[in-house]
Amino acid sequence: QKEVEQDPGPLSVPEGAIVSLNCTYSNSAFQYFMWYRQYSRKGPELLMYTYSSGNKEDGRFTAQVDKSSKYISLFIRDSQPSDSATYLCAMKSSGTSYGKLTFGQGTILTVHP
Amino acid sequence: DTAVSQTPKYLVTQMGNDKSIKCEQNLGHDTMYWYKQDSKKFLKIMFSYNNKELIINETVPNRFSPKSPDKAHLNLHINSLELGDSAVYFCASRGDIDTQYFGPGTRLTVL
Repeated sequence: QKEVEQDPGPLSVPEGAIVSLNCTYSNSAFQYFMWYRQYSRKGPELLMYTYSSGNKEDGRFTAQVDKSSKYISLFIRDSQPSDSATYLCAMKSSGTSYGKLTFGQGTILTVHP
Repeated sequence: DTAVSQTPKYLVTQMGNDKSIKCEQNLGHDTMYWYKQDSKKFLKIMFSYNNKELIINETVPNRFSPKSPDKAHLNLHINSLELGDSAVYFCASRGDIDTQYFGPGTRLTVL
């Protein structure tokens, strides 16, 4: 069993839709949670970072963490064609040296006009 | 001004060859990483160096040898390339709150 499982998709939605991307994890030591966005033929870039249960909002993006259920989500409101990318969840435990991240397998999102 | 750069961007080679990928970061970070991303987009850490010292080695075949001549550079040398080595290789460096800054990737195809 992988430490981090991510809904693989792919996901195709119309412009303006609300998108929900999800990851579950098995390692209770994970305390820090991130979402990276990766455009085609580019490297991943950090989108959201959170370390506590609850919601964190940044513009059209909301990251949600439920540590009791070992479940994290990323919501995108009013999705745009420019949101089309692969979204990767990533996690880190508090005891990890030098920032080692464990990634989910990525969800490919396409937002069509 | 590129923060993390990699060369080459594309690498096509025959099985059995030896090749190197270079990475440089101008962010002043101490920690750098190599990741492998397979065709299904799964991103897996291979190595990490902190200030020229190897700190993470994730059960990677010893055909893969990272080298860090200084803290701004982390190169990856691969001996005796195999078909299964075909992937995109990303270099990254670690910033504040463990944010990782990724390079543009090197797409390796082994024929």
